[in-house]
Amino acid sequence: AQTVTQSQPEMSVQEAETVTLSCTYDTSESNYYLFWYKQPPSRQMILVIRQEAYKQQNATENRFSVNFQKAAKSFSLKISDSQLGDTAMYFCAFATGTASKLTFGTGTRLQVTL
Amino acid sequence: SQTIHQWPATLVQPVGSPLSLECTVEGTSNPNLYWYRQAAGRGLQLLFYSVGIGQISSEVPQNLSASRPQDRQFILSSKKLLLSDSGFYLCAWSPYTVGEQYFGPGTRLTVT
Repeated sequence: AQTVTQSQPEMSVQEAETVTLSCTYDTSESNYYLFWYKQPPSRQMILVIRQEAYKQQNATENRFSVNFQKAAKSFSLKISDSQLGDTAMYFCAFATGTASKLTFGTGTRLQVTL
Repeated sequence: SQTIHQWPATLVQPVGSPLSLECTVEGTSNPNLYWYRQAAGRGLQLLFYSVGIGQISSEVPQNLSASRPQDRQFILSSKKLLLSDSGFYLCAWSPYTVGEQYFGPGTRLTVT
């Protein structure tokens, strides 16, 4: 069975600073995808960034980038130039197999402060 | 573009009453559809998923059921609600066999 572990329940960062959220996963599959989702206070889940396991290049979306270490089964999210609107729960998720089922981590609550 | 709708947005129901939550997707065909539950301060638990009309897979045994009467409609139901059914219910869709999912705005259910 696949598992996703987020070891940081809460984090805080000052506006304009950089923060890294950690995620590790466990799988025996070779073809899979990894995602970071953001859940702001409105509670709607928003896709932040995706990474295909077969790609060595780390994904980047504007201020968001990942550090994908396949051998270590690690998938961290770096947020640069943090903004107040980045305050949210962040979930790491893993997809493999048929039907694109997602397995989520328990989340990291990020607070961006002035 | 594709959009996903859920209703109602909030619901307060007494224990033992029935439940029906609806999810519809626009702008796509034959999507994979999913129901998740999120307890307060917790992660998401996959309840059901569907790869086609009438095809429902259940991930965990529970008091709930799901149906997909039309290609882009996914319904979550219960005949008799329990207190433990309270939570935030999210519907999602995906165009992929393996890939990301896109979520609806969610329904906050409180069972009293």
